Amino acid sequence: EVQLVESGGGLVQPGGSLRLSCAASGFTFSSYDMHWVRQATGKGLEWVSAIGTAGDTYYPGSVKGRFTISRENAKNSLYLQMNSLRAGDTAVYYCARAAGSGSLTFDCWGQGTLVTVSS
Amino acid sequence: DIQMTQSPSSLSASVGDRVTITCQASQDISNYLNWYQQKPGKAPKLLIYDASNLETGVPSRFSGSGSGTDFTFTISSLQPEDIATYYCQQYDNLALTFGGGTKVEIK
Repeated sequence: EVQLVESGGGLVQPGGSLRLSCAASGFTFSSYDMHWVRQATGKGLEWVSAIGTAGDTYYPGSVKGRFTISRENAKNSLYLQMNSLRAGDTAVYYCARAAGSGSLTFDCWGQGTLVTVSS
Repeated sequence: DIQMTQSPSSLSASVGDRVTITCQASQDISNYLNWYQQKPGKAPKLLIYDASNLETGVPSRFSGSGSGTDFTFTISSLQPEDIATYYCQQYDNLALTFGGGTKVEIK
């Protein structure tokens, strides 16, 4: 069974840092592009970052320069390093698998981990 | 970035009703559009990809159509388990964006 399990969320002060993890199982992790998508409470979905199978990375302007996505294929793990956090970054963060290499369709999602940025 | 305008933002319908949701892109995105279902407290689930293709295991009462800038998502006969928020997502480029969502409730 394909499974994604996020961890690492919590309460952090504005300007602080947090590292999220996503443990993948049930598929050949190294063969899939992976993404992070977030959702503020009661709000819609926002794409946060992507990493290809070759380690190429992509970000929207809202997080570029503050967030870093990475992967460790030997550990079937995806990461999101978040620095200079702001109140607007408060959200549930989901890791999501792209349907195939080069695909931008999310066919599997984790259950999410909550990040709260507040003093 | 491409803006996705989804309507309505919410709707209430009876069991068995036909439900239609629209999504309009701010520019031509060909058929690069997906639809997701999100039940309360859960992660989104892929229902439709490439505008009109049904994901494996998804009931056939769900369908999608459209191309260019105008897209439609339809539930042919609303069931109680379809209570959820539905989102469109464009993938014309890597500035991926979602519609604002449509909350579907039972009347």
